[in-house]
Amino acid sequence: AQTVTQSQPEMSVQEAETVTLSCTYDTSESNYYLFWYKQPPSRQMILVIRQEAYKQQNATENRFSVNFQKAAKSFSLKISDSQLGDTAMYFCAFMNQGAQKLVFGQGTRLTINP
Amino acid sequence: NAGVTQTPKFQVLKTGQSMTLQCAQDMNHNSMYWYRQDPGMGLRLIYYSASEGTTDKGEVPNGYNVSRLNKREFSLRLESAAPSQTSVYFCAGKEGRRETQYFGPGTRLLVL
Repeated sequence: AQTVTQSQPEMSVQEAETVTLSCTYDTSESNYYLFWYKQPPSRQMILVIRQEAYKQQNATENRFSVNFQKAAKSFSLKISDSQLGDTAMYFCAFMNQGAQKLVFGQGTRLTINP
Repeated sequence: NAGVTQTPKFQVLKTGQSMTLQCAQDMNHNSMYWYRQDPGMGLRLIYYSASEGTTDKGEVPNGYNVSRLNKREFSLRLESAAPSQTSVYFCAGKEGRRETQYFGPGTRLLVL
């Protein structure tokens, strides 16, 4: 069965610091997609970044970047120059190519302190 | 574009009552999904519709039914609500080319 594990239930950093959120996953497939979603207190699920497993280059979206290690099945999210608005739950998610099911981790609650 | 919209935003039901959660998207997505999120957990798939006219069970389908009314709309029905169905419900549509799901704002449901 495919699983996603986020080993850090909570994290807290000061504004402007860099923070890295960890995610590991388990699959026997070679083609798949990985995602990070942000859920602020409003509960809206917002796509932060996505990575295609066949691409070796790590995805980047402004202050957000990933470290994708396919052999280790690891997909961490780095937030640079953190801002108060980054305070949220962050969910790592995984989907095999051609599948319908998006498998979520349990989330990491990130707090950015002023 | 409004993206993915859901109604209502919040609902209180008594045990045994029925209701339908509505979802609509204007992003021309072929696939649509219903998830539930319980406290402290990620989302779990209830039902999905890979294309207009088809629906399939997800991970936790018991107690729910769905209807893909047309390409834009995908509704979730609770026939006889139970307290265990107290949750936040999210609808999503998938952009096929990028295999990426985009979520609605959620419906918070409380069953007493």
